Amino acid sequence: RKEVEQDPGPFNVPEGATVAFNCTYSNSASQSFFWYRQDCRKEPKLLMSVYSSGNEDGRFTAQLNRASQYISLLIRDSKLSDSATYLCVVNTYNTDKLIFGTGTRLQVFP
Amino acid sequence: DVKVTQSSRYLVKRTGEKVFLECVQDMDHENMFWYRQDPGLGLRLIYFSYDVKMKEKGDIPEGYSVSREKKERFSLILESASTNQTSMYLCASSSPDGANEKLFFGSGTQLSVL
Repeated sequence: RKEVEQDPGPFNVPEGATVAFNCTYSNSASQSFFWYRQDCRKEPKLLMSVYSSGNEDGRFTAQLNRASQYISLLIRDSKLSDSATYLCVVNTYNTDKLIFGTGTRLQVFP
Repeated sequence: DVKVTQSSRYLVKRTGEKVFLECVQDMDHENMFWYRQDPGLGLRLIYFSYDVKMKEKGDIPEGYSVSREKKERFSLILESASTNQTSMYLCASSSPDGANEKLFFGSGTQLSVL
């Protein structure tokens, strides 16, 4: 079983739609969680950290469910510019490494 | 603005050649990393370094070595390039922050080994 798993997609949604991605992780000792965004042929960039209480940044909401070992990313009012691959990243403190998921591709169409 | 610079955007090398990938960061970060990214496999950690002259193996170090002679520079070396090392190579840096480490990536080097 992969340490971090994501649905590869693609998720094809119209502008203005709400879309959500989940990411599951296998190590219950995982301590911190992130969503990175990667545009086509570009480097990954930090989108947001995921806090235990959940957090929101404009149209983006991230949540953590420790009991079920998954994190989620919700995007409201999708824009064409949201089209990208979204990478789930997990840090397990006792290994001091970041583990990347393979990413979920989002395509927003007009 | 935070900057991680990789020396080449595209590289084409022949099997058996020695290849150097250079990475420089201007943020005075202690931690530096080399990843490769392949379709369906995501980012995989090759080597990392938490200090000058220090290096640690990541998940897939075979066929690679690294050098960190200065804090701002972290080099990845392919001693004898092979076709299965054709990949996108991404350098990253971060400042230690316990479990909340955030990575800043360079724009990547697409290496093709023929």
